[in-house]
Amino acid sequence: RKEVEQDPGPFNVPEGATVAFNCTYSNSASQSFFWYRQDCRKEPKLLMSVYSSGNEDGRFTAQLNRASQYISLLIRDSKLSDSATYLCVVNGGNQFYFGTGTSLTVIP
Amino acid sequence: DTEVTQTPKHLVMGMTNKKSLKCEQHMGHRAMYWYKQKAKKPPELMFVYSYEKLSINESVPSRFSPECPNSSLLNLHLHALQPEDSALYLCASSHPGTVDYTFGSGTRLTVV
Repeated sequence: RKEVEQDPGPFNVPEGATVAFNCTYSNSASQSFFWYRQDCRKEPKLLMSVYSSGNEDGRFTAQLNRASQYISLLIRDSKLSDSATYLCVVNGGNQFYFGTGTSLTVIP
Repeated sequence: DTEVTQTPKHLVMGMTNKKSLKCEQHMGHRAMYWYKQKAKKPPELMFVYSYEKLSINESVPSRFSPECPNSSLLNLHLHALQPEDSALYLCASSHPGTVDYTFGSGTRLTVV
């Protein structure tokens, strides 16, 4: 079983839409959770950490459900510039485990 | 601009060549990582150095040889690669045990 699983998409949404991505992880002892964004042919960049209480950064909201072992990312009022691949990342020990990424395309 | 610098950005090499990828950071991070990323796939961990010592080798073939000469530099020596080794090679660094994790922009390697 993979450490981290994501729906690869693709998600194609119109500008202004709200879109949500989910990710499940297998190791209940995982301590840290993140969402990274990767643009085509670029390196992954940290979008936001995910805290147990949930956290928000502008149009982005991340949530963690430890009981069900999943994390989510909600993007409100989608912009064209949000088009990218969103990677769920879970930290276990001194390793980061990446999900396969979810592709998002925001359409004008 | 990324604070983890990788060179070269692009590399084309033959299967009999020897080349090296370089990674440099000046953030005082004492953990450095090599990842390999194929198209439309997530990054796959190859090696982890912690305090300049190799702490994780994810069963990487010996044709890939990492080296950490000091706390700011990480090299990946390549020899006798195969075409299937063509990928984006990403370096990252962090403070050991923390979430302060930064990727370099990568070296896009093509083996011909």
